[in-house]
Amino acid sequence: AQSVAQPEDQVNVAEGNPLTVKCTYSVSGNPYLFWYVQYPNRGLQFLLKYITGDNLVKGSYGFEAEFNKSQTSFHLKKPSALVSDSALYFCAVRPYGQNFVFGPGTRLSVLP
Amino acid sequence: GAVVSQHPSRVICKSGTSVKIECRSLDFQATTMFWYRQFPKQSLMLMATSNEGSKATYEQGVEKDKFLINHASLTLSTLTVTSAHPEDSSFYICSATGPRNDEQFFGPGTRLTVL
Repeated sequence: AQSVAQPEDQVNVAEGNPLTVKCTYSVSGNPYLFWYVQYPNRGLQFLLKYITGDNLVKGSYGFEAEFNKSQTSFHLKKPSALVSDSALYFCAVRPYGQNFVFGPGTRLSVLP
Repeated sequence: GAVVSQHPSRVICKSGTSVKIECRSLDFQATTMFWYRQFPKQSLMLMATSNEGSKATYEQGVEKDKFLINHASLTLSTLTVTSAHPEDSSFYICSATGPRNDEQFFGPGTRLTVL
């Protein structure tokens, strides 16, 4: 079965420190990979995606993600966290020709 | 570009009534739209995939007679929750596949509360 794992329910980081939100996946083939952010009572906002090319993908609001094919991971990173980054983050994969599969989400809290 | 809207953003209804939620792609034509349901502190659960002009494809366990989906045009899909019950209370999110068909654009969601 195709699945996406986000091993941490919650990540706490101090403002100004680097942050990492982890994602690993188990799908067939070479899927497209995505990160979305969700603020309370809002829909999902696109952050970044990986389709092909450079393993380090840069996205919105200073976020970036690194694709590691051997580890089937796509961790989200930001060099310096802001309090306003506090939100729910979803990793998603889209196997070729199939629907999206979402991870369970990771709640990020950036402490002032 | 690629903006998806939902209406209403919040609705409260009595048990037994039907509620319609609209999902619109504002600046692109969406051949495929998706409806998700999200419970508190949980991930999105795909309910159905809707293609313009054809019947929706429902995920296993989703009652098609309870959650009616209509995708009448390339910019509008509607989800009707029929004979709503309190357990249908949830956050419903739609999305649409963009022109390049390689990502989804999400609406802001609709919070449904059934009393």
